[in-house]
This record gives sequence, structure tokens and C-alpha cells, in this order.
Amino acid sequence: GDSVTQMEGPVTLSEEAFLTINCTYTATGYPSLFWYVQYPGEGLQLLLKATKADDKGSNKGFEATYRKETTSFHLEKGSVQVSDSAVYFCALSDRGGSNYKLTFGKGTLLTVNP
Amino acid sequence: GAVVSQHPSRVICKSGTSVKIECRSLDFQATTMFWYRQFPKQSLMLMATSNEGSKATYEQGVEKDKFLINHASLTLSTLTVTSAHPEDSSFYICSALNSGTASYEQYFGPGTRLTVT
Repeated sequence: GDSVTQMEGPVTLSEEAFLTINCTYTATGYPSLFWYVQYPGEGLQLLLKATKADDKGSNKGFEATYRKETTSFHLEKGSVQVSDSAVYFCALSDRGGSNYKLTFGKGTLLTVNP
Repeated sequence: GAVVSQHPSRVICKSGTSVKIECRSLDFQATTMFWYRQFPKQSLMLMATSNEGSKATYEQGVEKDKFLINHASLTLSTLTVTSAHPEDSSFYICSALNSGTASYEQYFGPGTRLTVT
């Protein structure tokens, strides 16, 4: 079945540091890939997405590139802010499924200190 | 656009009682909604897929008689936790699939914190 493996946290960085959160996947079909962010006490928000190989999703300074050859979708940001502190989830959606179910990684807690 | 609401945001109930959680898509129609459960510091576990006008599809290991799902309209799905027990305490999150978009994108509600005492 489909699965997502992402870097275990927690990750603690200083403001303006470079962020990488690794994510790899296995899928039977050709999935769409997502990064979601969950701020404390809130539900998930879509951060960025990519639907085909070599696509780069970007939003709020975050980027991730769909790498089919390495089955990866690593999240990066060049300079993190305190407000980026949250849990980040990598996820995939198998296009072959009629219900477009999402498979999530376990989440990575990011804490950014001033 | 693409806002999903959940009600209530927090609920405390006594063991043995039932509690209903509502999930609404506010500005789009959703023929498909999903219900997830999130344990502390863990990922989301898909419980069931809710399809408007038909029976929900439950994931393996999820008791359909305990977690009743009703998707009576294109903007509303409800999850009823029947005869709740302390082990049912969790964060329940719904999402709605915007069938009007070409991408495979779900929009998530803010979640409902259930505490069973």
C-alpha cells in the first residue's frame, strides 16, 4: 500500500536558519504530493502541492520539488521565522483512487526560537 | 474560499453517552468528505470516507456501529460517536473534497477535541 515517511522531529532552529524536512513515499500509482501545516490548536492547512514529476510547489517561502526518481518531496525554507513554528505533514494522494484519500506521514514538529 | 467548518470545536461528554460532530463545507459542494482521528503527537488516521447519499466506507479496524457517519447533503457530514468511552478521547478532523477543482485537494476543518470522562 501507499506510505509516507518523513523526518522525525522535533526540529528546533533559530530564526533565519535554513530548514529541510525530508519526505519520501511509496505508491502504487502516480500520486500527487502535498505538505500540510498544523499550527497549535488548529486544523491542517495546505501549504503547497505538486501533481507531477519535477513540479515545484511553493508558498510563503517554502518549497518542495516532486522527485520521482528518488520518490521524495523534501520541504525547504531558506530563512525560517518564529511564526513558522508548527507541525508539518507530508502527504500523498493516489490518483488511481476514486476517493482521493490522503496518506499522511507522522508529522514533524518545528520550533523556531527568536 | 474553500472553507470547512466543524462544530463543536470542543466537547466533553460522560462515558456511555453519544456525541455528534458536524462538518460543513461553507462555500463549495462536497460529494466526498473524510473523517480522521489524530492522537497526540501522531499523524492523522483516516477513519472513513463519507459519500453524499450513500453509506460511508470505513477503514479497517474502525467500528462502523460505534462511529456513525451521515452525509445527508452536499455540504454537511456528521460523525456520531456512540456510547463513548475514555479511549475515544481524541482530536477528530474532517475534510471535504472540492469536486469542482481539477486537483486532488481536500480542505480541512479546524478539528473537534473530544474528551470523554
